[in-house]
Parts: sequence; C-alpha cells; structure tokens
Amino acid sequence: GDSVTQMEGPVTLSEEAFLTINCTYTATGYPSLFWYVQYPGEGLQLLLKATKADDKGSNKGFEATYRKETTSFHLEKGSVQVSDSAVYFCALNRDDKIIFGKGTRLHILP
Amino acid sequence: DAGVIQSPRHEVTEMGQEVTLRCKPISGHDYLFWYRQTMMRGLELLIYFNNNVPIDDSGMPEDRFSAKMPNASFSTLKIQPSEPRDSAVYFCASSRSGRGLNEQFFGPGTRLTVL
Repeated sequence: GDSVTQMEGPVTLSEEAFLTINCTYTATGYPSLFWYVQYPGEGLQLLLKATKADDKGSNKGFEATYRKETTSFHLEKGSVQVSDSAVYFCALNRDDKIIFGKGTRLHILP
Repeated sequence: DAGVIQSPRHEVTEMGQEVTLRCKPISGHDYLFWYRQTMMRGLELLIYFNNNVPIDDSGMPEDRFSAKMPNASFSTLKIQPSEPRDSAVYFCASSRSGRGLNEQFFGPGTRLTVL
C-alpha cells in the first residue's frame, strides 16, 4: 500500500543552520504531497503542499519540491530559528485520507 | 471561525472505567477523522466519517473502542472498559470534500491517562 518514509529524529541544529528533513514515498498514481508541523502541545497543521510533479511548496521560509523521478519531497529551510522546534510530518493523500509518516522531531538550539 | 474543538483536554481515569472524548468539527466540513498518537506507534488513524457516516473503522484497535457522529457538528470516541495501554493523545480532525481534502484541520487533542 501507499506509505511515507522520513528520516528518524531527533534532529538537533543550532540557530541559523540549514535544515533538510528527508522524505520518500511509495504510491500508485500521483498523489499530492504535504508537510505538516506539530508544535508542542498542539495538533498538526499544514505547513506546505505540492499537488503535481516539479511543484514547489513553500511557507514560512520552508520549501519542498515534488520529485517524481526520485519519489521524494524533502523539506528544507535556509536558516532555522528556535521557534521552528517542532515535529514535522511528511504525508500524501490517498482517496479521502491522508497518510502520514512517523514524524521527525527537530530541536533548534539558541 | 473557531477551529476544531475537543474536550476534555486532559483526562485521567482508572483502568476499567468508561471514557468519552468529544469533538466539534469546523462548520461546513463534511469529513471527520479520529487519530491516536503515542511515542511507540506514532500517529494512527482510528476511524473517519463522511456526512456523519462511518467510512473506515479498520484502525479501531478492538471492540472496546466505538465512535459515533450523531450530527454534523458533534462526534464522540468512547473506550469501555479503558486499559493502561490506551494512554495516548487522541486527535480529532476535519476537512471538506473535493479540494478541501488536501488539508485536514486538527484539534488540540485530548491527553488520556489510564492508571
């Protein structure tokens, strides 16, 4: 079945460092791809999305590009802040559901 | 507009007791999802509804779990009897059909502790 695999955390970086969180997917057809973020004590919220191959989703300085040839959707940010500390989930849609990866916890040190 | 509302935010109960979690989806959303999140298993989809009708309950762990959606603005997840292994954060999420399915809106969750 469809699935999402993302790098295990936790990932610890210093403020202003470059961030990459890897995500690959397995799916039939061409799903839409997403990154959701969960801040401490809160539910998940959509960070960005891409609906077709070569689309780039972006929000709050984060970017991810839908790569069909490598079935990947890696999350990047050029300069992270302490406030970016959270759990990040890569996901895809299948029919009327969203299939989530296991999440990657990110710690940013001041 | 208010987001997804869940109650209670925290619940502590003893093994064997009945627990009822409540959710009010965003007005106009016709899909409602119940998830469970634990450190060990991550985020699991338990059941989801479309237009108040359960569509897929294959994620419900066992018969002790049940969910209802009596109307478009209210859903419950019930555990009877509860067990310590049910301790987790339970999230409710809602979305709209069509393009709206690309985004689920999550509530703040209910943290359940079963002693």
